Amino acid sequence: AQTVTQSQPEMSVQEAETVTLSCTYDTSESNYYLFWYKQPPSRQMILVIRQEAYKQQNATENRFSVNFQKAAKSFSLKISDSQLGDTAMYFCAFIGVYGNKLVFGAGTILRVKS
Amino acid sequence: GAVVSQHPSRVICKSGTSVKIECRSLDFQATTMFWYRQFPKQSLMLMATSNEGSKATYEQGVEKDKFLINHASLTLSTLTVTSAHPEDSSFYICSARQQGPNEKLFFGSGTQLSVL
Repeated sequence: AQTVTQSQPEMSVQEAETVTLSCTYDTSESNYYLFWYKQPPSRQMILVIRQEAYKQQNATENRFSVNFQKAAKSFSLKISDSQLGDTAMYFCAFIGVYGNKLVFGAGTILRVKS
Repeated sequence: GAVVSQHPSRVICKSGTSVKIECRSLDFQATTMFWYRQFPKQSLMLMATSNEGSKATYEQGVEKDKFLINHASLTLSTLTVTSAHPEDSSFYICSARQQGPNEKLFFGSGTQLSVL
């Protein structure tokens, strides 16, 4: 069974600074997708970034980038130039290409301070 | 981008009644949809996986007779909470899977269920 672990329940960062959220996962599958989702107070789940396991290049989306270490089964999210609107709960998630379950980590509450 | 519509967004019902929640993929066909339950400040707990035209696969500990899932078409899945009780009060979220080279999962806006 796949598991996703986020070891940081809460984090804070000053506006304009950089913060990294950690995520590790466990799977026996070789081909899968990893995601970071953001859930603001509205509770709408918003896709932040996705990574395909067969791609070695780390995904980037504007201020958001990942450090994907397949051998270590690590998938951290870096947020650069943090903004107040980045305040939210962030979830790391996994799904196998041929799998049928999207598994979430416990989440990390990120607070951006002015 | 792809949109998933979920409604109602909020429902209040009396104990013992049934409540149906709809999840629609508006501009893509979703062969797989997921139903989650979320308690305040906690993660999404997968309840069941719904595949079009077949029976849903429930996670361990989720009562299939209590939470009826129907995925009758490639764009619609429904979750019916039968004989609801106060302990069923929660936030329910659906997700639709867009498979292919640009694999993505899109989420509905969620339904807050309150059972009195």
